[in-house]
Amino acid sequence: QVQLQESGPGLVKPSETLSLTCAVSGYSISSGYYWGWIRQPPGKGLEWIGSIYHSGSTYYNPSLKSRVTISVDTSKNQFSLKLSSVTAADTAVYYCARDPSGGAAAGSNWFDPWGQGTLVTVSS
Amino acid sequence: SYELTQPPSVSVSPGQTARITCSGDALPKQYAYWYQQKPGQAPVLVIYKDSERPSGIPERFSGSSSGTTVTLTISGVQAEDEADYYCQSADSSGTYDVVFGGGTKLTVL
Repeated sequence: QVQLQESGPGLVKPSETLSLTCAVSGYSISSGYYWGWIRQPPGKGLEWIGSIYHSGSTYYNPSLKSRVTISVDTSKNQFSLKLSSVTAADTAVYYCARDPSGGAAAGSNWFDPWGQGTLVTVSS
Repeated sequence: SYELTQPPSVSVSPGQTARITCSGDALPKQYAYWYQQKPGQAPVLVIYKDSERPSGIPERFSGSSSGTTVTLTISGVQAEDEADYYCQSADSSGTYDVVFGGGTKLTVL
């Protein structure tokens, strides 16, 4: 059974870069599927950040694209998120998740399962 | 940018049927997905491709689609179903795209 676990600093200073890693167990990333990052500000709804295929192809939310980089390390069976120039508005619980759809056509993607999430606070 | 609209809250008594709607212009052309999120927990997929139920999800959860609205129906609501529910879909054009609705708080009275 596939499991995902986010890790990284819980506190990031404004203007710096947020970096998180998602370790995957129970499934080899190199075998396929897309893998995604989603965030949720405290008390608010979900926002898709971006997704990456095992080959390294990426898709990003247009509203965050200029600040986001998602990468994959198949040797460590993990994928990572970098979000630059953070502000207080980037304070959120960050989730990683598997997209089991196998395709990239709009409307064909969903997330299952999700990691437990990690709270990242942006503050000086 | 594309938006999916959900009612902020829905309330039902135990044993009744809860219906949570999600509206969006592209829904006639795109699949919808539904997630359940309980306080302090990660979202859990309960419906995919409009009406398919993942293994392990109770049969009382079902999904349907009609025009620009999709509906998550929970029949015989139980206290444990109290949670936030989010729909997810995509704009009608292009490649990989993910948009979430604002979420609906289901209260079991």
